[in-house]
Amino acid sequence: AQSVTQLDSQVPVFEEAPVELRCNYSSSVSVYLFWYVQYPNQGLQLLLKYLSGSTLVKGINGFEAEFNKSQTSFHLRKPSVHISDTAEYFCAVRSGGSYIPTFGRGTSLIVHP
Amino acid sequence: GAGVSQSPSNKVTEKGKDVELRCDPISGHTALYWYRQSLGQGLEFLIYFQGNSAPDKSGLPSDRFSAERTGGSVSTLTIQRTQQEDSAVYLCASSFSASPNEQFFGPGTRLTVL
Repeated sequence: AQSVTQLDSQVPVFEEAPVELRCNYSSSVSVYLFWYVQYPNQGLQLLLKYLSGSTLVKGINGFEAEFNKSQTSFHLRKPSVHISDTAEYFCAVRSGGSYIPTFGRGTSLIVHP
Repeated sequence: GAGVSQSPSNKVTEKGKDVELRCDPISGHTALYWYRQSLGQGLEFLIYFQGNSAPDKSGLPSDRFSAERTGGSVSTLTIQRTQQEDSAVYLCASSFSASPNEQFFGPGTRLTVL
């Protein structure tokens, strides 16, 4: 079964600093990778996804992620964060043979002024 | 267009009571998922519906949990004889199909069992 590890449960950062949220998954022949964001008291919203093609994926709100097959990672990055980026971020992976994505435990990004 | 809606937004119940949580997916979405989100635990898959196929119930934690989807649209998650450990946010999501598209999530129902 697929597993997803988000190594950091909480990442504090100052406004305008860069940030990287880490995600690793267990190996699979083919995977589809997703990052979702959850603002307080809201459902999850898709930030970006990797289905195929270029390993560098750009999403909404200035976020990007890079698929690294050899390291089975899909880390999320933003060069300069804003206070409004404070939220919970979830990495999700769906193996090619499954209809059900597996989610990581989430990383709480806290942006300080 | 309208997104995924869930009701109620909050539910407080007493231990031992039954509860029903409702999900209205986006019109035309054939796939529907229920997840449970507990504090610090991420999203736990509960059940998956795809069209008229038999649902995948592999994530349901006990036989107190059940779900149905009527007419390929609205879904109801029922928890019988609620326990305190059932307290969590229950999220519903839908997608166009079983293909690797994004899931669209509702705002969730926060269930508190006293």
